[in-house]
Amino acid sequence: RKEVEQDPGPFNVPEGATVAFNCTYSNSASQSFFWYRQDCRKEPKLLMSVYSSGNEDGRFTAQLNRASQYISLLIRDSKLSDSATYLCVVFFMDTGRRALTFGSGTRLQVQP
Amino acid sequence: DVKVTQSSRYLVKRTGEKVFLECVQDMDHENMFWYRQDPGLGLRLIYFSYDVKMKEKGDIPEGYSVSREKKERFSLILESASTNQTSMYLCASSLGASNQPQHFGDGTRLSIL
Repeated sequence: RKEVEQDPGPFNVPEGATVAFNCTYSNSASQSFFWYRQDCRKEPKLLMSVYSSGNEDGRFTAQLNRASQYISLLIRDSKLSDSATYLCVVFFMDTGRRALTFGSGTRLQVQP
Repeated sequence: DVKVTQSSRYLVKRTGEKVFLECVQDMDHENMFWYRQDPGLGLRLIYFSYDVKMKEKGDIPEGYSVSREKKERFSLILESASTNQTSMYLCASSLGASNQPQHFGDGTRLSIL
């Protein structure tokens, strides 16, 4: 089983739609979580960190469910410019080992 | 804004050549990372460094080495390039605490012929 798993998509949604992605992680000792956005042929860029209480940044809402070991990203009122691949990133640290692991990404295509 | 600069956007080399990929960051970050990204496999960590002259293996270090002689510079070396090392290579840096988000360079698309 992969340490971080995402549905690769693509998710094809119309402009204005609400769309949500989940990302599951296998290590219960995971401590920090992030969502990155990657445009085609570009580098990943930090979209938002994910806090235990959940957090919102404009149209984007991130949530963490430790009991079920997943994080989610909700995008409201989708724009054409939201089309990209969204990468889930998980950090954990325990004795002798620390790792920041990237998921393979979920592709979103917003259509006019 | 953090600036992570990779020396080349596109690079073409031949099998057996020794290849150097350079990465420089301007924010005095302690941590630097080298990844490769391939379709369907996502980002895979090759090597990372938490301090000058310090390096640790990532998930796929075979066929690669690294050098960190100065804090701002982290070099990835392909000792003897092979065709299966054709990939997009991404450098990243982050602040000292290991759980800080990473800032990426533009990437180097390396082709080995």
